[in-house]
Amino acid sequence: QQQVKQSPQSLIVQKGGISIINCAYENTAFDYFPWYQQFPGKGPALLIAIRPDVSEKKEGRFTISFNKSAKQFSLHIMDSQPGDSATYFCAVTQGGSEKLVFGKGTKLTVNP
Amino acid sequence: KAGVTQTPRYLIKTRGQQVTLSCSPISGHRSVSWYQQTPGQGLQFLFEYFSETQRNKGNFPGRFSGRQFSNSRSEMNVSTLELGDSALYLCASSLTTLNTEAFFGQGTRLTVV
Repeated sequence: QQQVKQSPQSLIVQKGGISIINCAYENTAFDYFPWYQQFPGKGPALLIAIRPDVSEKKEGRFTISFNKSAKQFSLHIMDSQPGDSATYFCAVTQGGSEKLVFGKGTKLTVNP
Repeated sequence: KAGVTQTPRYLIKTRGQQVTLSCSPISGHRSVSWYQQTPGQGLQFLFEYFSETQRNKGNFPGRFSGRQFSNSRSEMNVSTLELGDSALYLCASSLTTLNTEAFFGQGTRLTVV
């Protein structure tokens, strides 16, 4: 049973465009929703995270939108750059644990 | 501030052998988690340790085991290796167990032949 469904599997955008990646979850007990960025040969790195008491969080060009009632959250990358080309993973976890449940990942390619 | 250090970076083992992977967390971090990453299954949780105690275990066979030492360093062991164990094994460290930021190492690439 896949606890977190991530889409799309791959995404190609032009430089300067907006990249949008979506995740949906089932368990309403989840209370921490991070996004990770992974470059080839590297471990995942935390990009931005949100908790369910807010509907949106912005850090630079990266924004998380969170819809608690729909059990969905998404990552928006504004003004996408070639350096953003990487694989992005959404994850969920619940209080008192560091166990992250990851989505399957989205390979983002930003063309110059 | 040094990051999460995993050793070795690459490993080639034969079916049936056993392997031990090591993880040194960021100084001051007491929580260590392990993940297996494969192209087919993605990132899957293996274990979580805090203060030398296993707090969570993923859905992996008993051939996979781990431990944490008093200095927070952690090791994971896989016995009787199978071809399907070939994967990138990632260690993540966190300050506590309260959904604080998890910092990942670069991983150990295990190839079973």
